[in-house]
Amino acid sequence: DAGVTQSPTHLIKTRGQQVTLRCSPKSGHDTVSWYQQALGQGPQFIFQYYEEEERQRGNFPDRFSGHQFPNYSSELNVNALLLGDSALYLCASSLTALSGYTFGSGTRLTVV
Amino acid sequence: AQTVTQSQPEMSVQEAETVTLSCTYDTSESDYYLFWYKQPPSRQMILVIRQEAYKQQNATENRFSVNFQKAAKSFSLKISDSQLGDAAMYFCAYRSARRGFGNEKLTFGTGTRLTIIP
Repeated sequence: DAGVTQSPTHLIKTRGQQVTLRCSPKSGHDTVSWYQQALGQGPQFIFQYYEEEERQRGNFPDRFSGHQFPNYSSELNVNALLLGDSALYLCASSLTALSGYTFGSGTRLTVV
Repeated sequence: AQTVTQSQPEMSVQEAETVTLSCTYDTSESDYYLFWYKQPPSRQMILVIRQEAYKQQNATENRFSVNFQKAAKSFSLKISDSQLGDAAMYFCAYRSARRGFGNEKLTFGTGTRLTIIP
């Protein structure tokens, strides 16, 4: 049973560019959440998707957007990258509101 | 808004000894969940243990146990018989138990780096 899969594992982008990160949830999970983890910090909630709609959003600017597909996989898009966007981006999937979360190994984004 | 505080940036323990990691939180809710996650160098967050706030009994999972003090808003993790594989970042996290959209995010602390000394 595959867990949460994220791609790519590492990425280097130039300031001002746009990036797309991808997440495949654990088999049977229908809800996907994204977190940003800056170096030396705990993860910060970006947003959550369920039934292809964003249903909760953290304190992140509109440059951060997402999408969920009918197969429950998800993308995180970040436009106009800033140096401060450099972080580990974690995807977590779950089934319903009361089940636990399974995390992926993340995508390390470096903005230069 | 809920906040989670981990006041120990780093901890170390001799192999086979016991160590306790501290966590405090702030919330106005009465029903919620608390978690301890482990993040090894592989970066994947791994659930260590979970506590429901309505349960008075402290959760245990093999060598891992918690001391949940609801009135004090304290949630510490005790690791017994520490092993080299326990070395990792440990994060305390909070989640509301209210049903409905908007209540499911995890709020994390800043983490404690645990080193196991052979």
